[in-house]
Amino acid sequence: KNEVEQSPQNLTAQEGEFITINCSYSVGISALHWLQQHPGGGIVSLFMLSSGKKKHGRLIATINIQEKHSSLHITASHPRDSAVYICAVRWNTDKLIFGTGTRLQVFP
Amino acid sequence: GAVVSQHPSRVICKSGTSVKIECRSLDFQATTMFWYRQFPKQSLMLMATSNEGSKATYEQGVEKDKFLINHASLTLSTLTVTSAHPEDSSFYICSARGTLTYNEQFFGPGTRLTVL
Repeated sequence: KNEVEQSPQNLTAQEGEFITINCSYSVGISALHWLQQHPGGGIVSLFMLSSGKKKHGRLIATINIQEKHSSLHITASHPRDSAVYICAVRWNTDKLIFGTGTRLQVFP
Repeated sequence: GAVVSQHPSRVICKSGTSVKIECRSLDFQATTMFWYRQFPKQSLMLMATSNEGSKATYEQGVEKDKFLINHASLTLSTLTVTSAHPEDSSFYICSARGTLTYNEQFFGPGTRLTVL
């Protein structure tokens, strides 16, 4: 059983819609990362957070340590946001444990 | 800042040959580099962790003699796939972490290896 669960696995949206991707993990962590992987494969680190909320442009990431849950929100979605979004957690080591990803497609 | 490059981006080789993949941190010193492998529609799987100047630590099930990792400098780590076979075909991604990057890992663009 994967220790990092993401939902939904696949998501389609119309341009302009507000999008939420969820991530749950099983034990306490030191940090959680949200990553974006485009069809070509390259990975971009969007956020690293251990508490609270971070915002960058149209992206917002929140984490609830007590509930062991994080969300990634995209406001005013755009076709260029189409990608796989991956949640990864780090416990008390250097290693990242990855979720299975959420494939997002935004249509014009 | 915090850019990581990989070379080559794509490589096709014959079965039995060896392939070297480079991972470079371009604007920071990477004390730790990580090598991942990703099969189609699957999650990234950590292969090994390397710290500059010391031997890499391999994850369970990863053959250290097949996947040679060298992290000889603070800006370069290499992964050599020796005697490659078709089942080694995959997407290989490195990431790097430095003392000034506050535990954040920065990922390279990946290398797609196809073994014929």
